[in-house]
Amino acid sequence: GENVEQHPSTLSVQEGDSAVIKCTYSDSASNYFPWYKQELGKGPQLIIDIRSNVGEKKDQRIAVTLNKTAKHFSLHITETQPEDSAVYFCAASRGGNQFYFGTGTSLTVIP
Amino acid sequence: EAGVAQSPRYKIIEKRQSVAFWCNPISGHATLYWYQQILGQGPKLLIQFQNNGVVDDSQLPKDRFSAERLKGVDSTLKIQPAKLEDSAVYLCASSWLQGAAEAFFGQGTRLTVV
Repeated sequence: GENVEQHPSTLSVQEGDSAVIKCTYSDSASNYFPWYKQELGKGPQLIIDIRSNVGEKKDQRIAVTLNKTAKHFSLHITETQPEDSAVYFCAASRGGNQFYFGTGTSLTVIP
Repeated sequence: EAGVAQSPRYKIIEKRQSVAFWCNPISGHATLYWYQQILGQGPKLLIQFQNNGVVDDSQLPKDRFSAERLKGVDSTLKIQPAKLEDSAVYLCASSWLQGAAEAFFGQGTRLTVV
Protein backbone atom coordinates (compact mmCIF):
# COMPACT_ATOMS: atom_id res chain seq x y z
CA GLY A 1 0.00 0.00 0.00
CA GLU A 2 0.85 3.67 -0.11
CA ASN A 3 3.21 5.15 2.48
CA VAL A 4 3.21 8.89 3.08
CA GLU A 5 5.94 10.50 5.14
CA GLN A 6 5.69 14.08 6.39
CA HIS A 7 8.30 16.45 7.79
CA PRO A 8 8.80 18.27 10.05
CA SER A 9 6.54 17.06 12.85
CA THR A 10 6.64 20.49 14.50
CA LEU A 11 7.39 23.89 13.04
CA SER A 12 7.56 27.31 14.68
CA VAL A 13 7.83 30.48 12.64
CA GLN A 14 7.60 34.18 13.33
CA GLU A 15 4.52 35.95 12.09
CA GLY A 16 5.10 37.13 8.54
CA ASP A 17 7.68 34.47 7.75
CA SER A 18 7.11 31.54 5.41
CA ALA A 19 6.45 27.93 6.40
CA VAL A 20 7.22 24.87 4.31
CA ILE A 21 6.00 21.33 4.98
CA LYS A 22 7.23 18.42 2.89
CA CYS A 23 5.76 15.01 2.11
CA THR A 24 6.93 11.99 0.18
CA TYR A 25 4.83 9.13 -1.14
CA SER A 26 5.67 5.65 -2.36
CA ASP A 27 2.94 4.65 -4.82
CA SER A 28 3.58 6.02 -8.29
CA ALA A 29 -0.11 5.42 -9.11
CA SER A 30 -1.22 8.08 -6.61
CA ASN A 31 -2.59 11.02 -8.55
CA TYR A 32 -4.32 13.29 -6.07
CA PHE A 33 -2.62 15.09 -3.19
CA PRO A 34 -4.73 17.16 -0.79
CA TRP A 35 -3.58 19.16 2.20
CA TYR A 36 -5.73 19.42 5.30
CA LYS A 37 -5.66 21.84 8.22
CA GLN A 38 -6.90 20.54 11.56
CA GLU A 39 -7.61 22.87 14.43
CA LEU A 40 -8.02 21.61 17.97
CA GLY A 41 -11.24 19.71 18.43
CA LYS A 42 -12.22 19.93 14.79
CA GLY A 43 -12.10 17.66 11.80
CA PRO A 44 -9.55 18.16 9.01
CA GLN A 45 -10.43 20.91 6.57
CA LEU A 46 -9.27 20.81 2.96
CA ILE A 47 -7.14 23.88 2.22
CA ILE A 48 -5.58 23.10 -1.13
CA ASP A 49 -5.03 20.14 -3.41
CA ILE A 50 -3.07 19.21 -6.49
CA ARG A 51 -3.43 16.56 -9.14
CA SER A 52 -0.63 14.68 -10.80
CA ASN A 53 -0.97 16.51 -14.10
CA VAL A 54 -0.04 19.81 -12.45
CA GLY A 55 3.30 20.83 -10.99
CA GLU A 56 2.22 23.79 -8.89
CA LYS A 57 -0.94 25.39 -7.60
CA LYS A 58 -1.43 28.59 -5.67
CA ASP A 59 -4.30 30.04 -3.68
CA GLN A 60 -3.55 33.41 -2.11
CA ARG A 61 -0.90 32.76 0.60
CA ILE A 62 -0.90 29.00 0.13
CA ALA A 63 0.86 27.06 -2.60
CA VAL A 64 1.56 23.41 -3.25
CA THR A 65 4.25 21.94 -5.49
CA LEU A 66 4.48 18.39 -6.80
CA ASN A 67 7.48 16.52 -8.14
CA LYS A 68 6.17 13.24 -9.59
CA THR A 69 9.60 11.94 -10.48
CA ALA A 70 10.88 12.30 -6.95
CA LYS A 71 7.48 11.45 -5.46
CA HIS A 72 7.34 14.42 -3.18
CA PHE A 73 5.06 17.38 -2.68
CA SER A 74 5.23 20.42 -0.47
CA LEU A 75 2.97 23.00 1.14
CA HIS A 76 4.15 26.59 1.24
CA ILE A 77 2.48 29.22 3.41
CA THR A 78 3.70 32.78 2.96
CA GLU A 79 3.17 35.77 5.23
CA THR A 80 2.09 33.51 8.07
CA GLN A 81 -0.48 34.74 10.57
CA PRO A 82 -1.34 33.48 14.07
CA GLU A 83 -4.55 31.95 12.73
CA ASP A 84 -2.43 29.66 10.55
CA SER A 85 -1.41 27.82 13.73
CA ALA A 86 -2.82 24.29 13.47
CA VAL A 87 -1.87 20.75 12.53
CA TYR A 88 -1.41 20.22 8.81
CA PHE A 89 -1.76 16.84 7.11
CA CYS A 90 -0.76 15.84 3.63
CA ALA A 91 -2.43 12.91 1.92
CA ALA A 92 -2.17 10.87 -1.26
CA SER A 93 -4.77 8.87 -3.10
CA ARG A 94 -5.61 7.25 -6.41
CA GLY A 95 -8.45 9.31 -7.77
CA GLY A 96 -10.21 9.86 -4.48
CA ASN A 97 -10.13 6.31 -3.27
CA GLN A 98 -8.54 5.60 0.08
CA PHE A 99 -6.60 8.63 1.30
CA TYR A 100 -3.27 7.83 2.95
CA PHE A 101 -2.35 10.56 5.40
CA GLY A 102 0.99 11.75 6.67
CA THR A 103 1.66 11.96 10.38
CA GLY A 104 0.98 15.67 10.59
CA THR A 105 2.92 18.89 11.20
CA SER A 106 2.07 21.08 14.16
CA LEU A 107 2.62 24.66 12.99
CA THR A 108 2.93 27.46 15.51
CA VAL A 109 3.04 31.05 14.29
CA ILE A 110 4.57 33.30 16.93
CA PRO A 111 3.12 36.83 16.99
CA GLU B 1 -24.43 24.02 2.63
CA ALA B 2 -24.53 21.92 5.78
CA GLY B 3 -21.37 19.97 6.55
CA VAL B 4 -20.84 16.39 7.65
CA ALA B 5 -22.68 15.81 10.92
CA GLN B 6 -21.44 13.38 13.54
CA SER B 7 -22.71 12.36 16.95
CA PRO B 8 -21.94 12.07 19.73
CA ARG B 9 -19.00 14.48 20.04
CA TYR B 10 -17.56 12.64 23.03
CA LYS B 11 -18.00 9.17 24.51
CA ILE B 12 -16.38 7.48 27.48
CA ILE B 13 -16.93 3.75 27.96
CA GLU B 14 -15.34 0.90 29.85
CA LYS B 15 -13.43 -1.77 28.01
CA ARG B 16 -15.55 -4.63 26.72
CA GLN B 17 -18.56 -2.36 26.39
CA SER B 18 -20.09 -1.52 23.03
CA VAL B 19 -20.45 1.89 21.39
CA ALA B 20 -21.97 3.29 18.21
CA PHE B 21 -21.24 6.43 16.24
CA TRP B 22 -23.50 8.13 13.73
CA CYS B 23 -22.68 10.13 10.62
CA ASN B 24 -24.82 12.11 8.21
CA PRO B 25 -22.84 13.12 5.11
CA ILE B 26 -23.28 16.21 3.00
CA SER B 27 -26.48 15.96 0.98
CA GLY B 28 -25.90 14.27 -2.36
CA HIS B 29 -22.52 12.80 -1.46
CA ALA B 30 -22.41 9.21 -2.59
CA THR B 31 -19.09 8.28 -0.99
CA LEU B 32 -18.72 8.02 2.77
CA TYR B 33 -15.59 7.22 4.75
CA TRP B 34 -14.92 6.34 8.37
CA TYR B 35 -11.44 7.13 9.65
CA GLN B 36 -9.74 6.44 12.97
CA GLN B 37 -7.35 9.11 14.23
CA ILE B 38 -5.18 8.13 17.17
CA LEU B 39 -3.69 11.04 19.11
CA GLY B 40 -0.64 12.43 17.32
CA GLN B 41 -1.23 10.49 14.12
CA GLY B 42 -2.88 11.05 10.78
CA PRO B 43 -6.32 9.61 10.04
CA LYS B 44 -6.42 5.95 9.01
CA LEU B 45 -9.21 4.64 6.80
CA LEU B 46 -11.47 2.04 8.39
CA ILE B 47 -14.14 1.68 5.72
CA GLN B 48 -15.32 3.37 2.53
CA PHE B 49 -18.88 3.19 1.17
CA GLN B 50 -20.12 4.05 -2.29
CA ASN B 51 -23.87 4.60 -1.81
CA ASN B 52 -24.82 1.61 0.39
CA GLY B 53 -22.06 -0.70 -0.86
CA VAL B 54 -18.65 -1.27 0.72
CA VAL B 55 -15.72 -0.24 -1.49
CA ASP B 56 -12.87 -0.88 0.93
CA ASP B 57 -12.92 -2.35 4.42
CA SER B 58 -9.49 -3.94 4.35
CA GLN B 59 -8.33 -2.09 7.48
CA LEU B 60 -11.48 -2.56 9.52
CA PRO B 61 -10.94 -4.93 12.50
CA LYS B 62 -13.95 -7.01 11.61
CA ASP B 63 -13.88 -9.08 14.79
CA ARG B 64 -15.01 -6.03 16.75
CA PHE B 65 -15.88 -3.23 14.32
CA SER B 66 -18.87 -3.07 12.03
CA ALA B 67 -20.38 -0.35 9.89
CA GLU B 68 -23.46 0.04 7.79
CA ARG B 69 -25.02 2.52 5.43
CA LEU B 70 -28.34 0.89 4.74
CA LYS B 71 -30.09 3.57 2.71
CA GLY B 72 -27.01 5.06 1.13
CA VAL B 73 -27.21 8.20 3.23
CA ASP B 74 -26.32 8.18 6.90
CA SER B 75 -24.05 5.60 8.45
CA THR B 76 -23.27 4.01 11.80
CA LEU B 77 -19.98 2.60 13.04
CA LYS B 78 -20.07 0.16 15.94
CA ILE B 79 -17.40 -1.27 18.20
CA GLN B 80 -18.18 -4.36 20.26
CA PRO B 81 -16.40 -5.11 22.51
CA ALA B 82 -14.19 -2.05 22.89
CA LYS B 83 -10.52 -2.28 23.84
CA LEU B 84 -8.29 0.34 25.42
CA GLU B 85 -6.43 0.79 22.11
CA ASP B 86 -9.68 1.87 20.43
CA SER B 87 -9.39 5.24 22.19
CA ALA B 88 -9.22 7.69 19.30
CA VAL B 89 -11.19 10.24 17.33
CA TYR B 90 -13.50 8.66 14.78
CA LEU B 91 -13.92 10.86 11.75
CA CYS B 92 -16.56 10.60 9.08
CA ALA B 93 -15.96 12.14 5.67
CA SER B 94 -17.90 12.31 2.43
CA SER B 95 -17.38 13.19 -1.21
CA TRP B 96 -19.89 13.62 -3.97
CA LEU B 97 -18.57 10.81 -6.11
CA GLN B 98 -15.98 8.09 -5.90
CA GLY B 99 -13.01 9.48 -7.74
CA ALA B 100 -14.15 13.07 -7.25
CA ALA B 101 -11.31 13.31 -4.79
CA GLU B 102 -12.30 16.17 -2.49
CA ALA B 103 -13.41 14.74 0.85
CA PHE B 104 -15.07 16.80 3.55
CA PHE B 105 -14.72 15.79 7.19
CA GLY B 106 -17.01 16.03 10.17
CA GLN B 107 -15.82 17.18 13.60
CA GLY B 108 -15.36 13.64 14.79
CA THR B 109 -16.32 11.63 17.86
CA ARG B 110 -13.68 11.40 20.56
CA LEU B 111 -13.84 7.95 22.16
CA THR B 112 -12.12 7.19 25.44
CA VAL B 113 -12.03 3.58 26.59
CA VAL B 114 -11.14 3.15 30.27
